[in-house]
Amino acid sequence: EAQVTQNPRYLITVTGKKLTVTCSQNMNHEYMSWYRQDPGLGLRQIYYSMNVEVTDKGDVPEGYKVSRKEKRNFPLILESPSPNQTSLYFCASSLAWTSGPSYEQYFGPGTRLTVT
Amino acid sequence: GDSVTQMEGPVTLSEEAFLTINCTYTATGYPSLFWYVQYPGEGLQLLLKATKADDKGSNKGFEATYRKETTSFHLEKGSVQVSDSAVYFCALSDGYNKLIFGAGTRLAVHP
Repeated sequence: EAQVTQNPRYLITVTGKKLTVTCSQNMNHEYMSWYRQDPGLGLRQIYYSMNVEVTDKGDVPEGYKVSRKEKRNFPLILESPSPNQTSLYFCASSLAWTSGPSYEQYFGPGTRLTVT
Repeated sequence: GDSVTQMEGPVTLSEEAFLTINCTYTATGYPSLFWYVQYPGEGLQLLLKATKADDKGSNKGFEATYRKETTSFHLEKGSVQVSDSAVYFCALSDGYNKLIFGAGTRLAVHP
């Protein structure tokens, strides 16, 4: 089954304790991205990766890191989490990204993170 | 910058009622437009899309028409079902690297 998987689905942690949220896709997609979803704000992009060689910041990258060592995986790293990073996180992938694309983005099930 | 504005929810309807969720956008170029749906506890799924002016996207009884003159992409369905209860997101692609989402509209359909 074609899918994007994320782990863990739920995580409660304390301020400053490093954590990683994994994301993996089995569709051989080039493009991957991380979003956070907050009430009243919709989804905002954190980081994206056009392919294994190109990774760049989205709209809200502060406090996050990513890594794209292989095509299928795109982990999100919080080196020192803070309470304002409490949110619902989604990983997404698509076949490619060209100007004016109509490639569908496939989303993972989400990771609900609480930082106390 | 580019942005998407959609009507605030929640929208509460009875089964078989007509649904409209308004969406307007601001963009410098000619974006592609999307509606995504998020069922409880799940990720987002593409519901429909339109890539140029006057295109109509449709799926599962939902429709939306890309109106360049009014910069709108309103979502409609003639007869909603309880199973349509979800959060609906309007989005545009900026042509470079990301989707820009509206805040989302929660729809609750009662029997």
